[in-house]
Amino acid sequence: AQSVTQLGSHVSVSEGALVLLRCNYSSSVPPYLFWYVQYPNQGLQLLLKYTSAATLVKGINGFEAEFKKSETSFHLTKPSAHMSDAAEYFCAVSDPRTDKLIFGTGTRLQVFP
Amino acid sequence: DAGVIQSPRHEVTEMGQEVTLRCKPISGHDYLFWYRQTMMRGLELLIYFNNNVPIDDSGMPEDRFSAKMPNASFSTLKIQPSEPRDSAVYFCASSLKAKLFFGSGTQLSVL
Repeated sequence: AQSVTQLGSHVSVSEGALVLLRCNYSSSVPPYLFWYVQYPNQGLQLLLKYTSAATLVKGINGFEAEFKKSETSFHLTKPSAHMSDAAEYFCAVSDPRTDKLIFGTGTRLQVFP
Repeated sequence: DAGVIQSPRHEVTEMGQEVTLRCKPISGHDYLFWYRQTMMRGLELLIYFNNNVPIDDSGMPEDRFSAKMPNASFSTLKIQPSEPRDSAVYFCASSLKAKLFFGSGTQLSVL
């Protein structure tokens, strides 16, 4: 069975500050891991994915995430927050043998001027 | 490609009525997923198909829910009869090689 846990349902940062959104996973097989972003009244959009290649993955909009097997973590970071980053972010895990994604409960990011 | 297309965008119905949600996946994608999103439960996977065949429907909440995929370009999610607690946003997604693309969702309100 697979699952993800996102620590913190809400994160607030100032514009220009570091963004850190936490995700821990549980998987019985080497997982694929994903971060998705959801803007209001829209579907989810893929930010980045880890599929057992490089452990540091770079995504769109300046986001990146590092796969740490020893910590079972896949935290999302961005060095400098922008107002347009305000959205809900979802971490997800899948079994590489299927495309089935299991999502975390999401973290709402607020960015203050 | 136009992406994953869902219809209707909004649906308001009365309790007891049948509701049908529609999805057109991206051409060439071999997986199709139906998710439900609510404030209380977040994103729940209801059912998914691989090459039009249902693989896992363990997330379907009750027998009132059913899903079909008669061909590679079309899927439906049906709720009969609908209940107020079914009110949610229903997303369809399709994927190829572990990359999911989501539709814009159907906002369902059951009064």
